[in-house]
Amino acid sequence: RKEVEQDPGPFNVPEGATVAFNCTYSNSASQSFFWYRQDCRKEPKLLMSVYSSGNEDGRFTAQLNRASQYISLLIRDSKLSDSATYLCVVTGYSSASKIIFGSGTRLSIRP
Amino acid sequence: GAGVSQSPRYKVAKRGQDVALRCDPISGHVSLFWYQQALGQGPEFLTYFQNEAQLDKSGLPSDRFFAERPEGSVSTLKIQRTQQEDSAVYLCASSLREGPDTQYFGPGTRLTVL
Repeated sequence: RKEVEQDPGPFNVPEGATVAFNCTYSNSASQSFFWYRQDCRKEPKLLMSVYSSGNEDGRFTAQLNRASQYISLLIRDSKLSDSATYLCVVTGYSSASKIIFGSGTRLSIRP
Repeated sequence: GAGVSQSPRYKVAKRGQDVALRCDPISGHVSLFWYQQALGQGPEFLTYFQNEAQLDKSGLPSDRFFAERPEGSVSTLKIQRTQQEDSAVYLCASSLREGPDTQYFGPGTRLTVL
């Protein structure tokens, strides 16, 4: 089993729709969680950190469920510009902890 | 300000050649990471530096891979005797502090081994 797993998609949704996807992790000692966005042939860029209490940034909401060991990303009122691959990132506590990326979920927003 | 830069952006090597990939992190960033990304996959961790110290090299796939950051700024990833399976995009990222923090990625070096 991979340490971090994501549904590869693609998710193909109409503009204005709400879409959500999850990322599961296997190491219960994981401490820090992030969502990155990667456009085709570009480098990943931080979308948002994921806090224990959940957090929201505009149309984006991230949640952490430690008991079930997954994080989620919800996108409301999706825009064409949201089309990208969304990567979840899981890391440990110490500065030397290996950082693990999921394989990414492809999202395509259609007009 | 300047972001993370990497050079070359593209590299074609014949099997068996040695290659050196360069990363210029954001000035003042303590942490530097190297990743390997195959097509359709997420970045795979290779190695991590805190200043000049290589704290984690557990992701390096073989002893043909070597990374250094001698003065705590610029880093070089060297691959000796390249193989076809080394073909991938090599991403460098830096972050301001130690530990889990926002990483800023460079544009990557696309390596093709023929």
